[in-house]
Amino acid sequence: GDSVTQMEGPVTLSEEAFLTINCTYTATGYPSLFWYVQYPGEGLQLLLKATKADDKGSNKGFEATYRKETTSFHLEKGSVQVSDSAVYFCAQGVRGGADGLTFGKGTHLIIQP
Amino acid sequence: SAVISQKPSRDICQRGTSLTIQCQVDSQVTMMFWYRQQPGQSLTLIATANQGSEATYESGFVIDKFPISRPNLTFSTLTVSNMSPEDSSIYLCSVRLRGKETQYFGPGTRLLVL
Repeated sequence: GDSVTQMEGPVTLSEEAFLTINCTYTATGYPSLFWYVQYPGEGLQLLLKATKADDKGSNKGFEATYRKETTSFHLEKGSVQVSDSAVYFCAQGVRGGADGLTFGKGTHLIIQP
Repeated sequence: SAVISQKPSRDICQRGTSLTIQCQVDSQVTMMFWYRQQPGQSLTLIATANQGSEATYESGFVIDKFPISRPNLTFSTLTVSNMSPEDSSIYLCSVRLRGKETQYFGPGTRLLVL
């Protein structure tokens, strides 16, 4: 079945470091791909998305490119801040479908000053 | 986007009792879903709430344990029945807007079963 695999944390970085969180998916079709973020004590928020191959989603300095050839949607940011500390979830959904999302296990990111 | 509210925001319940969680959204949405997030874990889809008909449950979840209602386009309830400590989780409602791919999530209901 459809699944999402993302690197497990916690990932600890210093402020201004470069961030990559890997995410790969398996799907029978061509899914839409999402990154959600959960800040401490808060609900789940959409960070960015891409709905077709080679699309790049971006928001708040974060980027991810939908790579069909490698079935990946890695999250990157050039210079992280302490305020980026959160849990990041990669997810996929059937494009145009009526189903819920399939989530990865989440990556806990800790940014140290 | 959509503004989604859930009630209660948290509760502590005794084993064997039931709790009904409400989800209200401020706009008419096409799809409503219920997820569970167990402590330190990812989100797992429980079911799709269908308006005017029975919910569609994912493998491992059954109607007797998690009855769901959706009487209209903006409101749904999830009941966690005959609770045990293993049901301690965050329960989240999510919605998909008409013509949109994105799902938006409510703030969640944090449930602790003693």
